[in-house]
Amino acid sequence: GENVEQHPSTLSVQEGDSAVIKCTYSDSASNYFPWYKQELGKGPQLIIDIRSNVGEKKDQRIAVTLNKTAKHFSLHITETQPEDSAVYFCAASPYDYKLSFGAGTTVTVRA
Amino acid sequence: DTGVSQDPRHKITKRGQNVTFRCDPISEHNRLYWYRQTLGQGPEFLTYFQNEAQLEKSRLLSDRFSAERPKGSFSTLEIQRTEQGDSAMYLCASSPPWTGGKDTQYFGPGTRLTVL
Repeated sequence: GENVEQHPSTLSVQEGDSAVIKCTYSDSASNYFPWYKQELGKGPQLIIDIRSNVGEKKDQRIAVTLNKTAKHFSLHITETQPEDSAVYFCAASPYDYKLSFGAGTTVTVRA
Repeated sequence: DTGVSQDPRHKITKRGQNVTFRCDPISEHNRLYWYRQTLGQGPEFLTYFQNEAQLEKSRLLSDRFSAERPKGSFSTLEIQRTEQGDSAMYLCASSPPWTGGKDTQYFGPGTRLTVL
């Protein structure tokens, strides 16, 4: 099955700086890569996703890049704000229903 | 627009008891998923429904676990003879009919299970 590794496990950044989270996956058949944000006591919320036919996607301060050859993808958050503090999960899926998640990155934005 | 809802939000039970959780997906979402999340980990896939048909079950779903979606709307997840290792957050997600371009799964708030 698919195995997703995520780094770093914790990330502390100064407000206004950028944050980068990296993930690798094992199944070359994976073609869908979403990123979720989870706040304490809540379910994961989708923040951005990318398909394997696209190398980069941007939505305001958030961007995701995908390198299918190397089987890795990254989340970039620019101009971080305190409300960006949360746990972020990457996921990969070779099918249209089964997401395999990374272990998560706890992001803390220092004011 | 109501999201995915789950009930109860918290459940504390004693080892050996049976528990049942309910998930109400976003209306018109025909696909429904159950995941389990333990502390410090990402969600792990348990099972998937398309309408009322259960199309896949993870090997994580032992014989003590059963999920149903009888009318293709809400779903229930039952755990029989609970064990301490079953303590986790149980998440439900739903997604609209597949059109070849969007697989977005929308998650509910989860049910936190504690087995004493």
